[in-house]
Amino acid sequence: EIVLTQSPGTLSFSPGERATLSCRASQSVSSKYLAWYQQKPGQAPRLLIYGASSRATGIPDRFSGSGSGTDFTLTISRLEPEDFAVYYCQQFGSSPWTFGQGTKVEIK
Amino acid sequence: QLQLQESGPGLVKPSETLSLTCSVSGGSISSSSYYWGWIRQPPGKGLEWIGSIYYSGNTLYNPSLKSRVTMSVDTSKNQFSLNLTSVTAADTAVYYCDQVNVVLPAAPSWGQGTLVTVSS
Repeated sequence: EIVLTQSPGTLSFSPGERATLSCRASQSVSSKYLAWYQQKPGQAPRLLIYGASSRATGIPDRFSGSGSGTDFTLTISRLEPEDFAVYYCQQFGSSPWTFGQGTKVEIK
Repeated sequence: QLQLQESGPGLVKPSETLSLTCSVSGGSISSSSYYWGWIRQPPGKGLEWIGSIYYSGNTLYNPSLKSRVTMSVDTSKNQFSLNLTSVTAADTAVYYCDQVNVVLPAAPSWGQGTLVTVSS
């Protein structure tokens, strides 16, 4: 099983700052099968990035994804108030498909 | 635009079987590039992949749930289903159905989710 580790569990930023979130895999993951989601309280997860670096429809360009192999990154270039949420990475290239445990981005 | 919608009982008794259906619109469940699956999220916790099924019936299950999970596809109704047997309170969660493309890099799609509570 591929374990996805998102650390730290919580990051604190002020609006306008740049946020870099990490997703590290225990084995190599094909970039084609790596996605990032944003989740706010009481809402379903919202797809941000698929294929490691492609933005989903309607996602602002302040969100970007990068990485390959075992190290993937989600970057939010300038945090807006609505970006404070929990972020999950997911791999579906190797069964069992797995999620990271999530990183909460909170207001400092 | 592909849309997925979960349906099923919101309350299930302990030891009984949880049954959910996902109805697909805006696309065919028989498309060869896709797996159709289920994900759940217990209250206050993270996301857990339950399993996925191909239109031909080929299944992939989470080993932690495999002994209790069965998935099926009904191509005539453009639906797929989840059965989870012998449920306990630990199975209380929001259940989401999803679709992923396993051939090309493409955006996965999710339903809005349905809360299932296990309680007597």
